[in-house]
Amino acid sequence: GENVEQHPSTLSVQEGDSAVIKCTYSDSASNYFPWYKQELGKRPQLIIDIRSNVGEKKDQRIAVTLNKTAKHFSLHITETQPEDSAVYFCAASPNPQNFVFGPGTRLTVLP
Amino acid sequence: GAVVSQHPSWVICKSGTSVKIECRSLDFQATTMFWYRQFPKQSLMLMATSNEGSKATYEQGVEKDKFLINHASLTLSTLTVTSAHPEDSSFYICSAIGRRVETQYFGPGTRLLVL
Repeated sequence: GENVEQHPSTLSVQEGDSAVIKCTYSDSASNYFPWYKQELGKRPQLIIDIRSNVGEKKDQRIAVTLNKTAKHFSLHITETQPEDSAVYFCAASPNPQNFVFGPGTRLTVLP
Repeated sequence: GAVVSQHPSWVICKSGTSVKIECRSLDFQATTMFWYRQFPKQSLMLMATSNEGSKATYEQGVEKDKFLINHASLTLSTLTVTSAHPEDSSFYICSAIGRRVETQYFGPGTRLLVL
């Protein structure tokens, strides 16, 4: 089955700097890669996703890149703000019914 | 995005009692709902997948007789934790997908504390 690894497990950046979180997956059949943001005690919220027919997707300060050959994808947050502090989860999926989540990255943006 | 609600948001119960958690899709028909458990500072652990009108599929290691799942309609799934024990204390989150909702949207979660 699919196995998703995520690095780093914790990340601290200064406000205004960029943050990058990387995930690797094992199943070449996976073709959908969402990213979720979870604030303490709240639900995971979808922030961006990418499908395997696209190499990069951007939404304002957030971007995701995908390297299918190497089986890894990354989340990039530019101009970080304190409200970006949260736990971020990546997931890989061959279909919406079979998400496999990474272990999460705790991002702290220092003011 | 699609809206998923969950009730109750938190519950405290005595050991041995049963607790029912409801998950509803408010603005779409959920063909599949998922139940996750999340321990502090850990990732989401899938417990089971339920399709409307059929029996739930449980992940390995999840006791189906302890965690009863019913997906009676396209907008409602329930998780009943039977004979709850302190080790069942956790954050339970549901998610749902539908015919026109191709990614999982999560409910707000239910925090269960078993004394």
